[in-house]
Amino acid sequence: DAGVIQSPRHEVTEMGQEVTLRCKPISGHDYLFWYRQTMMRGLELLIYFNNNVPIDDSGMPEDRFSAKMPNASFSTLKIQPSEPRDSAVYFCASSSGQGAHLSYNEQFFGPGTRLTVL
Amino acid sequence: RKEVEQDPGPFNVPEGATVAFNCTYSNSASQSFFWYRQDCRKEPKLLMSVYSSGNEDGRFTAQLNRASQYISLLIRDSKLSDSATYLCVVNFYSTLTFGKGTMLLVSP
Repeated sequence: DAGVIQSPRHEVTEMGQEVTLRCKPISGHDYLFWYRQTMMRGLELLIYFNNNVPIDDSGMPEDRFSAKMPNASFSTLKIQPSEPRDSAVYFCASSSGQGAHLSYNEQFFGPGTRLTVL
Repeated sequence: RKEVEQDPGPFNVPEGATVAFNCTYSNSASQSFFWYRQDCRKEPKLLMSVYSSGNEDGRFTAQLNRASQYISLLIRDSKLSDSATYLCVVNFYSTLTFGKGTMLLVSP
């Protein structure tokens, strides 16, 4: 079975450019999460969706970041304009929620997108 | 105070050794707890959940102390393949908070 799919795997761009990261969750999963990982801050939750609806975006660092989930099988994370401090590995994860029991459901991570902003 | 704190290591141990990692968390209302494993330049993967009664999965034993807000992971008979970063994870209403991880290096 295919796991969470992310593209691109690597992205190198220049400061000020728009960056779009893509994610396809595991089929049937109704929760989707975007994380960012850096050496300094570790793994941080940016935003998560339930049934394509954004539930908590309090982790999104600033207005330059936006995320969408137009359907159950696709999500994007966009950075516009990008800055060098956005350089990080961005992970997408999905899980199958069971309402109050979501807390016990494993999150499956994609391979990540390694973003470098010059 | 950081929400989830771990010793970053690295812990350097020989094959066959027993090693223990600890983690503390700040939110006393946290609902569930996990250990994830992350190999170098790979994604995190669930290693095991952690229960108050303690739970074991082969060579791995996890323990939770809610009163002290403390989580532990014990690895017995370390293998070379156990070399990785171990992330302590705490859940509160579907939001996972990750520690920065403890690096383990197992040598021949």
